[in-house]
Amino acid sequence: QVHLVESGGGVVQPGGSLRLSCEASGFSITDYAMSWVRQAPGKGLEWVAFVRDDGGDKYYADSLKGRLTVSRDTSKNTLYLQMNSLRAEDTAVYHCVKAKGSRHYYAYYFDTWGQGALVTVSS
Amino acid sequence: DIHLTQSPSFLSASVGDRVTITCRASQGITTYLAWYQQKPGKAPKLLIYAASTLESGVPSRFSGSGSGTEFTLTISSLQPEDFATYFCQQLKSYPQVTFAQGTKVEMK
Repeated sequence: QVHLVESGGGVVQPGGSLRLSCEASGFSITDYAMSWVRQAPGKGLEWVAFVRDDGGDKYYADSLKGRLTVSRDTSKNTLYLQMNSLRAEDTAVYHCVKAKGSRHYYAYYFDTWGQGALVTVSS
Repeated sequence: DIHLTQSPSFLSASVGDRVTITCRASQGITTYLAWYQQKPGKAPKLLIYAASTLESGVPSRFSGSGSGTEFTLTISSLQPEDFATYFCQQLKSYPQVTFAQGTKVEMK
């Protein structure tokens, strides 16, 4: 069964850093594109980061570029999101998502979602 | 940037009703559109992709249509488990994909 479990969320002060982890099971992250999508409390969905199945292409939301780094450990089948210079507006649940495929538009249809990790940026 | 607008933002309906949600794109996106369902406290679930293709395991009462700038999600006969929030997503501008603000379907 395909499953994604995020961890690493918590409360961080403005300007601080946090690394989220996403452990995948039931499939290999080397076979599918993966993304992170966040949802601020009571708000809609916002795509924030992408990594292709081969790890070669990484993309970030324009509004967050420079503050995020997505990486992975294929031996652990785990995806990571390093977030720096956090701001209050970054407070959200961060979902790890698996795409239907690895190329073209299928890399962005998100067919499996983790429950999410809550990141709260507050002093 | 491609902006998506869903309507209505809130919808009150009864079990058995036919429900239609509209998603409009600020520019043409051919059929690069998906629909998701989200229940309170849960992660979103993919319902429809490529504007009209039903995701595996999704009940056939859900259907999607449209191309270009106007799309619809239809639930032919609303069931108790369908009360949720629905989001559309455009992929035309990938990697900068975007979601609409959502439509909350509530019980009348």
